[in-house]
Amino acid sequence: DIQMTQSPSTLSASVGDRVTITCRPSQNISTWLAWYQQKPGKAPKLLIYDASSLESGVPSKFSGSGSGTEFTLTISSLQPDDFATYYCQQYNTFSRGTFGQGTTVEIK
Amino acid sequence: QVHLVESGGGLVKPGGSLRLSCAASGFTFSDFYMSWIRQAPGKGLEWVSFINVGGKTIYCADSVKGRFAVSRDNGKNSLYLQMNSLRAEDTAVYYCVRASPMGVFDYWGQGTLITVSS
Repeated sequence: DIQMTQSPSTLSASVGDRVTITCRPSQNISTWLAWYQQKPGKAPKLLIYDASSLESGVPSKFSGSGSGTEFTLTISSLQPDDFATYYCQQYNTFSRGTFGQGTTVEIK
Repeated sequence: QVHLVESGGGLVKPGGSLRLSCAASGFTFSDFYMSWIRQAPGKGLEWVSFINVGGKTIYCADSVKGRFAVSRDNGKNSLYLQMNSLRAEDTAVYYCVRASPMGVFDYWGQGTLITVSS
């Protein structure tokens, strides 16, 4: 199984900050990676797929990059609506290690 | 717009069974792979099952294999999850999710809570 490791687990930031979340799969997944945002009590929402493609309707302040075994999600200017938990997901291989453990972005 | 509505959740005793349903609308259901993904209270996301357009199960998590079965009825625009031999560790919110064949999850239902407890 592929292990997906996100860092940090929790990130404290202020409105207006640029933040970066990292996701490291335990093996090469090319660019088969997606990012999701989940707010408390809500279902996850797809933000990015194929490592860097922005899902329709998602603001351009979200961007993804990377390939192989290191990926990043960047939020260019954090707004109150962006405080949430973010998950990466690999779809190179169907396995139990599909999702990272999540990164919670909280208000500093 | 795409709408996925789960039903069938609730409290069930260990060893019991439950059948979840998901009603899909706003898209051509028969054109899309579908999935169930769950989230235990306060925990992360776990992919449970994945079914192709023709009703073949593409993926089933080891943690539920032999106990859970996913199915679909394209004529009724519905996805199902039959859950048997339920355990306390199956307690979670279960999401019905539209997926690409590669496994990108683009639309999620609001989720239904299953609590397995005596």
